[in-house]
Amino acid sequence: DAGVIQSPRHEVTEMGQEVTLRCKPISGHNSLFWYRQTMMRGLELLIYFNNNVPIDDSGMPEDRFSAKMPNASFSTLKIQPSEPRDSAVYFCASSPGTAVYGYTFGSGTRLTVV
Amino acid sequence: QKEVEQNSGPLSVPEGAIASLNCTYSDRGSQSFFWYRQYSGKSPELIMSIYSNGDKEDGRFTAQLNKASQYVSLLIRDSQPSDSATYLCAAHTGTASKLTFGTGTRLQVTL
Repeated sequence: DAGVIQSPRHEVTEMGQEVTLRCKPISGHNSLFWYRQTMMRGLELLIYFNNNVPIDDSGMPEDRFSAKMPNASFSTLKIQPSEPRDSAVYFCASSPGTAVYGYTFGSGTRLTVV
Repeated sequence: QKEVEQNSGPLSVPEGAIASLNCTYSDRGSQSFFWYRQYSGKSPELIMSIYSNGDKEDGRFTAQLNKASQYVSLLIRDSQPSDSATYLCAAHTGTASKLTFGTGTRLQVTL
C-alpha cells in the first residue's frame, strides 16, 4: 500500500493567492482528516470526513479555508486568499472508520506564504 | 486547560538509559491513547496504542495508562540516538473519529 499521498510536498505562494492542497487516503479507509502543524500550536485538527461527508469543521480557522471530498479516494483543502499566517505544515491522515486504532499520516505539505 | 498536555522538553537522556515521557488528559471519557513519533521534517508515525489500565510492552517501548489519574506515559528502554525525535501523545474520546494531540515532547538521546 502506498500510504496516504499528499501533494504538493512544498508550496510557496504570494499573499492573496489561492492555494490547493491534495490528499489521497489509504484505500479502504473511510475517515479522512486535515491537520495543521505549527511550532506554536502543535497539531490542530481542521476538518474531518467520514464516508466523504464532512463531520466536524469547527477547526477551520476562517471562511478563507474550505475542504472537499468528492469521492473516497480524493480530498482537497483550499485557502483563498492565502495570508502569511497560514504558513505551516498541513497533514492529511486517514483511518479505517473510528479512530480507536489510530490513524496514518501523509508526508505533509509545507506551505509558505510570502 | 488543554485537552492533552505534554512537557515540551527537550528531555535529554544518555544512550542506553530509560527515557520516560509523560502525558495528561482532561476528558475522563477518553478511551484510547496513542504515542506517535515525529522526526524533524517528517510526519507523525504511530508507535504505540493503549486502551486499558496498566502496561503494554512492544520491544523497547512500554506504554502505561492510569485512567484514575488521567495520565499516559511512554518508556523507552536502552535509548538510542535514533530515538531522538518529538513524541506526540493523542487521545480518542467517545464515538467521534478524531484524535486530540498534545504539543509533543522533544527527546534527545546523547552519546
